[in-house]
This record gives sequence, C-alpha cells and structure tokens, in this order.
Amino acid sequence: GAGVSQSPSNKVTEKGKDVELRCDPISGHTALYWYRQSLGQGLEFLIYFQGNSAPDKSGLPSDRFSAERTGGSVSTLTIQRTQQEDSAVYLCASSLNSHRGEGYTFGSGTRLTVV
Amino acid sequence: AQSVTQPDIHITVSEGASLELRCNYSYGATPYLFWYVQSPGQGLQLLLKYFSGDTLVQGIKGFEAEFKRSQSSFNLRKPSVHWSDAAEYFCAVAPNQAGTALIFGKGTTLSVSS
Repeated sequence: GAGVSQSPSNKVTEKGKDVELRCDPISGHTALYWYRQSLGQGLEFLIYFQGNSAPDKSGLPSDRFSAERTGGSVSTLTIQRTQQEDSAVYLCASSLNSHRGEGYTFGSGTRLTVV
Repeated sequence: AQSVTQPDIHITVSEGASLELRCNYSYGATPYLFWYVQSPGQGLQLLLKYFSGDTLVQGIKGFEAEFKRSQSSFNLRKPSVHWSDAAEYFCAVAPNQAGTALIFGKGTTLSVSS
C-alpha cells in the first residue's frame, strides 16, 4: 500500500483480556518496528523485525507482550492479560532496510484503552 | 548508551515568529540524527535527517536543522511559524549498531498563538 496501515485505530478492552494489534507495512519494506507512546513519555521501542532475521525483542516490557511477522509483511502485536498501564498509543513503522540513515514511515497508530 | 534529550516539553510561539526547538544527543561517534513531527491523531512524519556533509540540513515544510558537534546539538528551526505547525516534534538518533531501532526523545509540543 501507499503507507503503513494499522488496525484497529482505537481499541477499548477490559482488564485481563488479550488484544491483537495489526500492522501492514509498506510493500517491499524489509524492516518493521513497534513503538509505544504514552503521555509525556515519548516513544518507547518495543520490537524490531528485519527480513528473516530473529527479531530484536529487547524493548518488550514483559512476557505478556509478543509479536510476530508473517511472510516478511504483516505484523501482529499481542498483549495478553492486559493491564491498565498498557493503555497507550501503539505505533508501527517500516523502512526499506535497516541502514542507519534510513528514515521510518509510521502508521497512525492504535489507541489502546484498558478499563 | 546513546540518548536524546529535548529540554523543552512545551513551547508557544506567535504565528509568524521564528522557532527553534532544541535537541541534545549523547553519542560517541558520528551520529545519525532525525527530526519527526506528529500532528494530532497522526503518526510521525520525517522532517529531515543528518548523517554527513553540510551541517545545515533542509527539510520539508520549510524546516531546517543544524548539527553542532561541539555542542552535541541538532536544533530544529523555522524562520516563520504557521498555525498549521502546531504539533509534537521528536528528535531521534540511530544507534551505532546497524540494524537497531531509532532512539527518540520525549518530544516538544509546539503551540502557535495568533
């Protein structure tokens, strides 16, 4: 597609439920990133996929968080047993490759609210 | 460890006035630096980037940024602000290891008064 697409745009869930957030990157982009944006906290790195390499999961805050990327394209971020502190905007980005100078294209994000 | 600091959480500028948003980085080698803008309800959009060459880089929407190694800074500037520039601005640095994700500052919210 023309841009990075994320769905849903908004998600309200009850505490303790599992949620899945989807990211559809730009076609041909080999690198895909997930960030979490909380009020006043900037962007917190979560996980990074590059081609067929093992993902960099160093930013995942707990084992309740996981992500996969199928066929080198679409990615799903799963949060199990959601907690109120998981409420945030989850942003996905992709880039053509993992070169340091390569800028990212971001999606519009999924706003997750845990009640 | 690499880090990015944006000292100003919130700035208000009059429409038509000049703007400078500050960014300081902590880095041991030649940094790869970026500025992004986030309009309300939107994702981040790349304004400009620097990794070599001329230390004054031009970006989209009339923005520019100057890399100053001696001050470890990469400040974003615009000569005349428009009301549509009201947004949140993020500075970011690419770590020195290839294939690792950008590190972002906490952002500066720009308000534009008429």
